[in-house]
Amino acid sequence: DVKVTQSSRYLVKRTGEKVFLECVQDMDHENMFWYRQDPGLGLRLIYFSYDVKMKEKGDIPEGYSVSREKKERFSLILESASTNQTSMYLCASSQRGFRTRGNTIYFGEGSWLTVV
Amino acid sequence: ELKVEQNPLFLSMQEGKNYTIYCNYSTTSDRLYWYRQDPGKSLESLFVLLSNGAVKQEGRLMASLDTKARLSTLHITAAVHDLSATYFCAVGVVGPQKLVFGQGTRLTINP
Repeated sequence: DVKVTQSSRYLVKRTGEKVFLECVQDMDHENMFWYRQDPGLGLRLIYFSYDVKMKEKGDIPEGYSVSREKKERFSLILESASTNQTSMYLCASSQRGFRTRGNTIYFGEGSWLTVV
Repeated sequence: ELKVEQNPLFLSMQEGKNYTIYCNYSTTSDRLYWYRQDPGKSLESLFVLLSNGAVKQEGRLMASLDTKARLSTLHITAAVHDLSATYFCAVGVVGPQKLVFGQGTRLTINP
């Protein structure tokens, strides 16, 4: 089974703190994604990466950055956390060309971040 | 910009009844995905619909895709309590390898 592991399930951070959310996948997937989930808004894509050291902005990249130094690991960074970044963050991974192949993307369990 | 809209957003129904969740999207796409999320849990893939007219069934759930109408449906037959969850549809964007999600439909099935 595909396993996408997010290291922190629940975090509470103060406004202005730097926050790191880590994600590791064990299926040698090329693509990795960070989504944010908010009630009534569904999942919104923050950033994605299709290869080591490569990144692309998603729909809501403002206030976030990412790092992908190794194929299996994709980190989301909040440089200066704000209260409007309180949310559930979901990491996901997939094979390259997953849509063409009829495959899907696989999600981690999520990280609940509260910024106070 | 691709927009994906689900309705209803909340659905409360009794066991044994049938119902349908609708997923509309705004621009051409070639793939449609359905996921299930239990409270506090990750998203679990249910169906991947690959072409116009595609229909897939798993147990009491059946998903279909009409690319001309830009519409997918998730039909629940003879609902049981275990199907209570939030259901998301997602659409594959032509070009970049990413998905755009609907708002989710929170389904509650009462005994």
